[in-house]
Amino acid sequence: AQRVTQPEKLLSVFKGAPVELKCNYSYSGSPELFWYVQYSRQRLQLLLRHISRESIKGFTADLNKGETSFHLKKPFAQEEDSAMYYCALSYNTDKLIFGTGTRLQVFP
Amino acid sequence: DTEVTQTPKHLVMGMTNKKSLKCEQHMGHRAMYWYKQKAKKPPELMFVYSYEKLSINESVPSRFSPECPNSSLLNLHLHALQPEDSALYLCASSQQLRTGTTEAFFGQGTRLTVV
Repeated sequence: AQRVTQPEKLLSVFKGAPVELKCNYSYSGSPELFWYVQYSRQRLQLLLRHISRESIKGFTADLNKGETSFHLKKPFAQEEDSAMYYCALSYNTDKLIFGTGTRLQVFP
Repeated sequence: DTEVTQTPKHLVMGMTNKKSLKCEQHMGHRAMYWYKQKAKKPPELMFVYSYEKLSINESVPSRFSPECPNSSLLNLHLHALQPEDSALYLCASSQQLRTGTTEAFFGQGTRLTVV
């Protein structure tokens, strides 16, 4: 069955430290993968998608089909990065499912 | 307009009540979604409408009844709910392309409490 796994519920770092939020997926076809972010009291919003291969707010994510991973990285965390991050998988055109989420806390 | 609007923001209903949640988007998106999100949990997919037709029902109990009156509107009719149905209900929409699905835009959600 299709599945998205985020092994860390909470990740705490100090400002300026590198960040890596892990995401693994199970899907036999060609996956479409996304990272969504939810800041405090705001709606869930897209951070980036693997097809775009872009860097948003300093975050990047590379799809590794061999390891079925789509980890989110940022070299220098900022306090405003503190939020809930969800990895998501889209498949069969219509379906979009989410991982369990990782809360990132960036301390000053 | 790149917003998905959900009403009401909050809803308290009794177990014998009938109520509806509403969702609206004017981005021309042809896929619309209902998700249920319990506290400190990820959104769980409930229903997907594609081109105004129900394409996915994730084995949701019949006390939840979705409706898509037109391409901009999505409703979720509620009847005889249980206290465990209390949650944040999220609506989302996305464009469907032959090359894949574009990003999903989410509403702020309706906070539902069943008493």
